[in-house]
Amino acid sequence: AQSVTQPDIHITVSEGASLELRCNYSYGATPYLFWYVQSPGQGLQLLLKYFSGDTLVQGIKGFEAEFKRSQSSFNLRKPSVHWSDAAEYFCAVGRVTGGGNKLTFGTGTQLKVEL
Amino acid sequence: EPEVTQTPSHQVTQMGQEVILRCVPISNHLYFYWYRQILGQKVEFLVSFYNNEISEKSEIFDDQFSVERPDGSNFTLKIRSTKLEDSAMYFCASRYRGETNEKLFFGSGTQLSVL
Repeated sequence: AQSVTQPDIHITVSEGASLELRCNYSYGATPYLFWYVQSPGQGLQLLLKYFSGDTLVQGIKGFEAEFKRSQSSFNLRKPSVHWSDAAEYFCAVGRVTGGGNKLTFGTGTQLKVEL
Repeated sequence: EPEVTQTPSHQVTQMGQEVILRCVPISNHLYFYWYRQILGQKVEFLVSFYNNEISEKSEIFDDQFSVERPDGSNFTLKIRSTKLEDSAMYFCASRYRGETNEKLFFGSGTQLSVL
């Protein structure tokens, strides 16, 4: 069965500092990997995804993530955090099943940005 | 940008009561989903729906749950007799036929509180 682990429940960084959010997955084949962000009162917004090819993927809002098969990881990074990045971040692994797109999410990491 | 709309944003109900959560998916989308997140836990897949039938459901989605697309624009989740453990944030999502997971759009959620 597929699963996702986000070991950090809360992370606090200073504005302008770099950020790395960890994600480890378990999946029986080549995974489809995603990072979503949820701001208060908002839906889940896709930041970036990995399907195949280049293991370093670029997303919106200056985020990037690197797929490392040997470590079963897909960590999210940003070189300089802005106060507006404060939100909850979810890593997810997906598969296509018949007509469905079942995603398995991690528990999320709550990011706080100190000014 | 088109968006998935969920109403209400908050719903409070008494245990044992029926509740209907409503979603308006993006107009040309054909696949529909419900996910939920119990406070402090993972976002969990509940059900996927295509061509007026359930294409996949999780073990959470028991006989107390049902989904319907009553009028071609709304997509509803009904819980017949709510339990305390049904308290969660419920997310609706949709995608267009032919698109993969990268085109899954989520609503902002309905927070259900069962008292």
